[in-house]
Order: sequence, then C-alpha cells, then structure tokens
Amino acid sequence: NAGVMQNPRHLVRRRGQEARLRCSPMKGHSHVYWYRQLPEEGLKFMVYLQKENIIDESGMPKERFSAEFPKEGPSILRIQQVVRGDSAAYFCASSPSHSYNEQFFGPGTRLTVL
Amino acid sequence: RKEVEQDPGPFNVPEGATVAFNCTYSNSASQSFFWYRQDCRKEPKLLMSVYSSGNEDGRFTAQLNRASQYISLLIRDSKLSDSATYLCVVTAGNQFYFGTGTSLTVIP
Repeated sequence: NAGVMQNPRHLVRRRGQEARLRCSPMKGHSHVYWYRQLPEEGLKFMVYLQKENIIDESGMPKERFSAEFPKEGPSILRIQQVVRGDSAAYFCASSPSHSYNEQFFGPGTRLTVL
Repeated sequence: RKEVEQDPGPFNVPEGATVAFNCTYSNSASQSFFWYRQDCRKEPKLLMSVYSSGNEDGRFTAQLNRASQYISLLIRDSKLSDSATYLCVVTAGNQFYFGTGTSLTVIP
C-alpha cells in the first residue's frame, strides 16, 4: 500500500511563474490536507479537502493560492504569480476520515522561488 | 497568541538520559492531542496520541492536563535514533495545529 505521494519533490520557479503541486493520498483516503512549512517555523494549515469539495480553506492566502481535489486524480495546490516569500516546504497529508486520529504525510514539495 | 507553543530547544542530551518536552495550547475546546516526530527535511510522522489518563509506549510517556492546557512528552533511556524535532499537535474543528517543534539531539 503506497503512502502519500507528492510531486514534484523539488520545484524551482522564477517570480511571476505558476507553481503546481500534486498530492495523491493513500489508497482509501478521501480527506486531504495541505500545510506549508517555512524555514525554522512549524507547519501551518492551509486547506482541507474531500473529493470535489473544499471543506476548510481558512489557512489559504486570499490571493494567488487555490486548491482542488477532483473526482479523479490527485489533489492540486496551485500558486499563481509566485513571489520569493512563497519559498517553503509544502506538505500534503491524508486520512480515511476526518475523525481518524492520524494524518499520514507525504514527503513534501520544496518550492524555491528565484 | 499562537494556538500551540513549544520550547524550541535545542535539547542536547547524552545517550541514556531522560528528557521531557512541554507544550501549551490556547484553545480550551481542543479535542485531540498528539506528538509527531519530524526528522530533518522529512515529513512528520505520528509518534503517539495523548490521552487525559496519560499513556505510555515503550520509552515514551505522554501526559495531558486539560485544566492547565498543557501536554508533555517524556523520553527515557534516550537513543541516538531519537534525535529529531518533536511536534506537539492539537486539533480543533477541522484543523490540526502544529507547534514549531522542539529539537532533540542525543549525543554518544
């Protein structure tokens, strides 16, 4: 049973470009969470999604950031017009249900904005 | 005020030592509590859940004090492989709130 998969593992973008981060949850998991971790800081919740629904996006910046989890395929975190401050590690986690205790994390995507 | 606060450390301890980490949380309606472990540049992994009655898993003991909104983790007989960052995690509503982590280095 493959774990949570994220790709790419490393992504380099120039200011103003778009970044697309993909997350495939564990088999049987329909709940996906995205987090951002800045250097020397803790993980910050961004968004919680179920298939085709955004449940809680209270941690998402109001502009340039969007997320989706379509019926088929991975969850996508999209950052438009990236700026240097977007450089961070972005982790995706999944769980079989929201009440399930553990979140299983993917290896993360490290975004560097030049 | 941050949802979850931890002493960042670093804690540098010799092998075999006992070390304790503390964590406080601000939301009295928090529902579930965990300790996660994160190795350098890797993803967080669940170490253990924390229950009001306290719970133990081998060399690790976790305690929760709801009245004081305080969580602790005790590691006995430290091993080199325990070196990592330990994250205190609290849930409230839809969200998992992570502390910034406490860094532990176990020295030979």
